[in-house]
Amino acid sequence: GNSVTQMEGPVTLSEEAFLTINCTYTATGYPSLFWYVQYPGEGLQLLLKATKADDKGSNKGFEATYRKETTSFHLEKGSVQVSDSAVYFCALPNSGAGSYQLTFGKGTKLSVIP
Amino acid sequence: DAGVTQSPTHLIKTRGQQVTLRCSPKSGHDTVSWYQQALGQGPQFIFQYYEEEERQRGNFPDRFSGHQFPNYSSELNVNALLLGDSALYLCASRALTANPTDTQYFGPGTRLTVL
Repeated sequence: GNSVTQMEGPVTLSEEAFLTINCTYTATGYPSLFWYVQYPGEGLQLLLKATKADDKGSNKGFEATYRKETTSFHLEKGSVQVSDSAVYFCALPNSGAGSYQLTFGKGTKLSVIP
Repeated sequence: DAGVTQSPTHLIKTRGQQVTLRCSPKSGHDTVSWYQQALGQGPQFIFQYYEEEERQRGNFPDRFSGHQFPNYSSELNVNALLLGDSALYLCASRALTANPTDTQYFGPGTRLTVL
């Protein structure tokens, strides 16, 4: 089935630093790719998505580009804020299951210090 | 418009007991999925319900069962609780007729602790 490998954390950055969280995937075909964010004590929120190769998803200053050549979907932000401190998950649907059954990476915990 | 809601927020049980968790999907959604998120891990798919039937199931034992009601709300039941069942249980909903690329919406979760 489909799988995702995500950069392990934790990651600690100073405010206004540049962020990259790596995500690579193994999949049948070209499924949609997602980044979810989980703030402390909360459930998951969709951060951004890309539905086909070369698509760029963006939201709240975060970006990720669907690269089929490198099977990657790295998350980036040019200038992080303290409020970005959270756990970030890369995810994709299991093969043949549409987007109902998502497979998640293990998550990368980001801490941003003032 | 209320999003996905789950109850209770927290729950403490002892080994061998049974537990029921509840989920109300986002308005307009008819498909509910359940995920288990162990501490420090990503969520893992348990099963999905549509039209009051289990449609897909992940790699979880039969101790995990569910139900969907005519109003699309859902329950997750876990029997014979083990210490390893301690986790955050997340419910997600979507509309079955939505574009397959559409996302699921997640609730805040129920934190289950098994002592």
